Amino acid sequence: GQQVMQIPQYQHVQEGEDFTTYCNSSTTLSNIQWYKQRPGGHPVFLIQLVKSGEVKKQKRLTFQFGEAKKNSSLHITATQTTDVGTYFCGGRGSTLGRLYFGRGTQLTVWP
Amino acid sequence: EAGVAQSPRYKIIEKRQSVAFWCNPISGHATLYWYQQILGQGPKLLIQFQNNGVVDDSQLPKDRFSAERLKGVDSTLKIQPAKLEDSAVYLCASSLGLGGGYNEQFFGPGTRLTVL
Repeated sequence: GQQVMQIPQYQHVQEGEDFTTYCNSSTTLSNIQWYKQRPGGHPVFLIQLVKSGEVKKQKRLTFQFGEAKKNSSLHITATQTTDVGTYFCGGRGSTLGRLYFGRGTQLTVWP
Repeated sequence: EAGVAQSPRYKIIEKRQSVAFWCNPISGHATLYWYQQILGQGPKLLIQFQNNGVVDDSQLPKDRFSAERLKGVDSTLKIQPAKLEDSAVYLCASSLGLGGGYNEQFFGPGTRLTVL
């Protein structure tokens, strides 16, 4: 069945350093979504990527969808303490299919 | 705009007991999802409704889990009987629809279930 792998599982950075999390699928994806979950909170939608090679930016966050639509990444430039949380990717095998979530990357930012 | 509401927020039961969770999605959202999130893992879809019809329940353990969405609005998820491995956070989410720009999912606060 479809699997979505996410690495690393944990990342600890000093405030101001950059952070990247990677998402890989065993099969070609129709689209991929990214969510952020603060400690004790619920997932909050960040973005959806649909096109091969797509790159989207939200302030300090940069999202990429691979050319083969099997991998994606989220890069945060100059992390802040407000970036703390777990970042999940969720991939869809078909346009209307279910989301398969990765295990998430838990980001800790030291002030 | 009100978000997705869930209740209860916490529930502790003993194994073999039954439990029910309630979800009220965002007004106007046709699609409703129930996820199970075990500690340290990503959410796993249990069941997905489009209005009051089931779209995907392939990963719902149907021998013990059931869910309904009467009238295409509120939904309940039931576990009977509960097992120790059911301890998790149960998240309800809703979206405007399926596909295109309509499938951004809005999650509720979740119900943390502990089975002793």
